[in-house]
Amino acid sequence: NAGVTQTPKFQVLKTGQSMTLQCAQDMNHEYMSWYRQDPGMGLRLIHYSVGAGITDQGEVPNGYNVSRSTTEDFPLRLLSAAPSQTSVYFCASSYTGTGVTEAFFGQGTRLTVV
Amino acid sequence: AQTVTQSQPEMSVQEAETVTLSCTYDTSESDYYLFWYKQPPSRQMILVIRQEAYKQQNATENRFSVNFQKAAKSFSLKISDSQLGDAAMYFCAYQHGSSNTGKLIFGQGTTLQVKP
Repeated sequence: NAGVTQTPKFQVLKTGQSMTLQCAQDMNHEYMSWYRQDPGMGLRLIHYSVGAGITDQGEVPNGYNVSRSTTEDFPLRLLSAAPSQTSVYFCASSYTGTGVTEAFFGQGTRLTVV
Repeated sequence: AQTVTQSQPEMSVQEAETVTLSCTYDTSESDYYLFWYKQPPSRQMILVIRQEAYKQQNATENRFSVNFQKAAKSFSLKISDSQLGDAAMYFCAYQHGSSNTGKLIFGQGTTLQVKP
């Protein structure tokens, strides 16, 4: 039972490069989200999706792009990396039942932009 | 907009003692969930405890319990009989209930040190 799988775990980019952070879940969850974690700021929402084909912006969407063509996958694209995007990135998936909800997180990607 | 505030950047506790981590939140909604997550050095986010706003009874999970004060919009985490493995960063988080999209709003985090 893999849960939420993020790749890669570590990445170094040069300013201006683009890349895609991969996220896959095998729990058939409808909701998926991307967060970034910066010191002293907790986790902040970048983009989220409530189902295949539906995405929306979170608190800090600039410089990032997402798509959700399947229930399982929710990749995050950095269009032109900037040093301000140096951070730890988390993907999460969640479900909601009757009075119950829980999010499951990937192991995170530490991204450094130089 | 909803906000979550953790005013204690760092806390320390002696092994086997009790510690309380504070969290306050702001919302105009009546239907929501509150969570405490633990993040050890491995970076993995681990759900510690969950509270539904409509429940008056405080949630408990073994050595972890919360003090949920809905009117005061306060949601503190009490860790009893602290263990070395409890050392981690702890995040308080809010999720809207009735229009749930899976979005979480996090506090800034509290780093907990456990002294042997």
